[in-house]
Amino acid sequence: QVQLQESGPGLVKPSQTLSLTCTVSGGSISSGGYYWSWIRQHPGKGLEWIGYIYYSGSTYYNPSLKSRVTISVDTSKNQFSLKLSSVTAADTAVYYCARVEVRGVIAIDYWGQGTLVTVSS
Amino acid sequence: DIQMTQSPSSLSASVGDRVTITCRASQSISSYLNWYQQKPGKAPKLLIYAASSLQSGVPSRFSGSGSGTDFTLTISSLQPEDFATYYCQQSYSTLGLFGPGTKVDIK
Repeated sequence: QVQLQESGPGLVKPSQTLSLTCTVSGGSISSGGYYWSWIRQHPGKGLEWIGYIYYSGSTYYNPSLKSRVTISVDTSKNQFSLKLSSVTAADTAVYYCARVEVRGVIAIDYWGQGTLVTVSS
Repeated sequence: DIQMTQSPSSLSASVGDRVTITCRASQSISSYLNWYQQKPGKAPKLLIYAASSLQSGVPSRFSGSGSGTDFTLTISSLQPEDFATYYCQQSYSTLGLFGPGTKVDIK
């Protein structure tokens, strides 16, 4: 059973960089066939893609966040990470890491539990 | 961008009711449509992929249909554990957008 777990600070100051890591267990990031993704949900709102990375390192970012986002992967640790720079209160949200199945169907089949990140001084 | 809409935005129903939620895409997405269920404080859960395929472990009272631009999620007999918010998501294009959600609560 694949499991994903987000980790990182729950409080970030405005203008600083939000950094989160997702640790994958029960499966290898290097196995291919999946995009490793970050999705966020503002309080009481819907779901917003941040971007994803393939195990090879190729990435795709939401154009609305692209200038501030970096997603990276560490296959040796079976982890992938998110950095979001120059944060404001509008970046306060629950951040989910997730696996997107892309072999045949394209769907988010596994999610982390989510972690609330609050941007405040 | 392909925009997704859902209707209704919320509904109240009773245990045992048949519930139907509609999702519409701004252009044809073939059958590249997924449905997720989210309960408060929890991550979304995949219910239906490719418009009509039931994800492993999901009860058979959930079903999906449609293609092109119009899709439906049906719960044949609503159970207490089904009160949640339901999101559609198109997977036709990269970073396919989610619909705004439909909240199903107890009448």
